[in-house]
Amino acid sequence: GDSVTQMEGPVTLSEEAFLTINCTYTATGYPSLFWYVQYPGEGLQLLLKATKADDKGSNKGFEATYRKETTSFHLEKGSVQVSDSAVYFCALSEGNVGAGSYQLTFGKGTKLSVIP
Amino acid sequence: KAGVTQTPRYLIKTRGQQVTLSCSPISGHRSVSWYQQTPGQGLQFLFEYFSETQRNKGNFPGRFSGRQFSNSRSEMNVSTLELGDSALYLCASSSGTADNYGYTFGSGTRLTVV
Repeated sequence: GDSVTQMEGPVTLSEEAFLTINCTYTATGYPSLFWYVQYPGEGLQLLLKATKADDKGSNKGFEATYRKETTSFHLEKGSVQVSDSAVYFCALSEGNVGAGSYQLTFGKGTKLSVIP
Repeated sequence: KAGVTQTPRYLIKTRGQQVTLSCSPISGHRSVSWYQQTPGQGLQFLFEYFSETQRNKGNFPGRFSGRQFSNSRSEMNVSTLELGDSALYLCASSSGTADNYGYTFGSGTRLTVV
C-alpha cells in the first residue's frame, strides 16, 4: 500500500538557518503530495501541495518539488524563524478511482524547533 | 468563510463508555474525512463520507462508526471505549471531487479514556 517516510526529528535550528526535511513516498499510481504543519494544540494546516511530477509547491518561504524519479518531496526553507517551530507532516493522496474517494496517507511527522 | 468546526474540543470518558464527536465542514463542502492522531501510530485514516454515504474506510474495528447528515455535518461514534482510543481526532473537509480536493482540517477533539 501507499506509504510516506520522512526524516526523524526533532530538528533544532538557529534562526535564519536553512531547513530541509526529507520526504519519500511509495504509491501505486500518481499521487498528489502535500506538506502540512501542526502548531501546538491545533489541527493541521496545509502548507503547500503539488499535484504532478516536477511541480513546485511554495508558501510562506517554504518550497517542495515533486520528484517522480526519486519519489521524493523534500521541504526546504532558506531562512527559518522562531515562528516556524511546529510539527511538519508530509502526506500523499491517491484516489480510489472506483469509489471516487481520496484519503491522505501521512508520514510520522518531524518536529522543528527554531531557537533565537 | 468559516472553517471546519469540531466539537467538543476535549473529552474525558471512562473505559467501556461510548462517545460521539461532531464535525461541521466548510460551507459547500460535501466530503468529510476523519483521522486519528496518536503519538505511537501517527495520523491514521478512519473513514470518509460524501453526500451522506461512506465512500472509504480505514483499518479500524467496527467500534468506530460515523455518519453524515444532509447538511454535510458529520459525527463519528466510538463504542466500548478502550484506553488505546485516547487520541486527537481530526476532521477534514473538502469538496470531494477529483479536480479540486483541497483538505481543510479542524482543530480536533482530544479524547482521553480513563
